[in-house]
Amino acid sequence: GQNIDQPTEMTATEGAIVQINCTYQTSGFNGLFWYQQHAGEAPTFLSYNVLDGLEEKGRFSSFLSRSKGYSYLLLKELQMKDSASYLCAVSPGGYQKVTFGTGTKLQVIP
Amino acid sequence: ETGVTQSPTHLIKTRGQQVTLRCSSQSGHNTVSWYQQALGQGPQFIFQYYREEENGRGNFPPRFSGLQFPNYSSELNVNALELDDSALYLCASSYAGTSVGEQFFGPGTRLTVL
Repeated sequence: GQNIDQPTEMTATEGAIVQINCTYQTSGFNGLFWYQQHAGEAPTFLSYNVLDGLEEKGRFSSFLSRSKGYSYLLLKELQMKDSASYLCAVSPGGYQKVTFGTGTKLQVIP
Repeated sequence: ETGVTQSPTHLIKTRGQQVTLRCSSQSGHNTVSWYQQALGQGPQFIFQYYREEENGRGNFPPRFSGLQFPNYSSELNVNALELDDSALYLCASSYAGTSVGEQFFGPGTRLTVL
């Protein structure tokens, strides 16, 4: 089975740094996705980690530890528009089924 | 390059009715996955289509069925609608190469069952 855990809500201040954690227990693992979803909109792709380590993409970075079943999304220089839900999702391999966590709702305050 | 499109954007049905939702995949993509997203939850995988065949299914009953056409567009059909089927239905397209590729989501269809 698949089990993905992430905090339900977080609040952070504009200009600050926030780290959103995700832990997973899956019967198979190929890689881990992070998506951003604004209220009422479709998820948009942020990152896909297959190997251990940190991948940086502008203000957003994603880290993966396969041995620990752990990932985090790091958002730097927070902007008000970063207020959204952040979804962690695991691909167990084989066909491209992706299992999503329930998402972390991030609120950025002035 | 055109993105993923879905129709209709909103739909209201009553219990017991049937509904068909449509998805056009992004240019160059050959795989379509369908997800159901209830309010406040993450998307739940319904099934995936690759080369016009179902290529994996989540924990959804048989009244959820689908099709993929030669142009890689897809339909999701839901029979005997129940109140709990009210949700945002997302389709995502990707290219099934040698490894899992990123998925691009459509804007979704908001289904309300009364």
